[in-house]
Amino acid sequence: QKEVEQDPGPLSVPEGAIVSLNCTYSNSAFQYFMWYRQYSRKGPELLMYTYSSGNKEDGRFTAQVDKSSKYISLFIRDSQPSDSATYLCAMSPTGNQFYFGTGTSLTVIP
Amino acid sequence: GAVVSQHPSWVICKSGTSVKIECRSLDFQATTMFWYRQFPKQSLMLMATSNEGSKATYEQGVEKDKFLINHASLTLSTLTVTSAHPEDSSFYICSAGGTSGKETQYFGPGTRLLVL
Repeated sequence: QKEVEQDPGPLSVPEGAIVSLNCTYSNSAFQYFMWYRQYSRKGPELLMYTYSSGNKEDGRFTAQVDKSSKYISLFIRDSQPSDSATYLCAMSPTGNQFYFGTGTSLTVIP
Repeated sequence: GAVVSQHPSWVICKSGTSVKIECRSLDFQATTMFWYRQFPKQSLMLMATSNEGSKATYEQGVEKDKFLINHASLTLSTLTVTSAHPEDSSFYICSAGGTSGKETQYFGPGTRLLVL
């Protein structure tokens, strides 16, 4: 079993839709949770960073962590064509070792 | 803040030559740097983790004599692909973690290597 599971998609939504991206994990020691956005042929860009459980909002993006269910989510409101990218979840127990999901490819259609 | 640069962004070389890729953390001290490679439409594959001043820790299956990593300072790590072959052609991405206030990684923009 992989440490982190993420549906690779692809996911295609119309502009303005709410997008939900999810990852599950098996290691209860994970404390740090991240979402990265990667455009084609670019390095990943940190979108959201959360420590422990709870919600965090930044503009159109909301990250949720449910440690009891070992489940994290990223919601994108009012999705835009510029949100079309691959989204990677990542998590870490200590901040020194990181585990990545395989990425979900998202396309927002104008 | 938390900017990581990579140089070069693009390199083409002949088979058998060596290529050096630099990774710099521009506005924070990176106690740990990571090197990844990524094939088209695939996820990141961690190659090695390096801490400043010590030898890198390589992932299983990564040849340490082929992919030389040096982390000489808190702001600079280099990856040298020695005796490159066409199968080494890939997208190489570094990331830095450390004293930026968050337990996370910040990625560089990547280096695309093509070996002819």
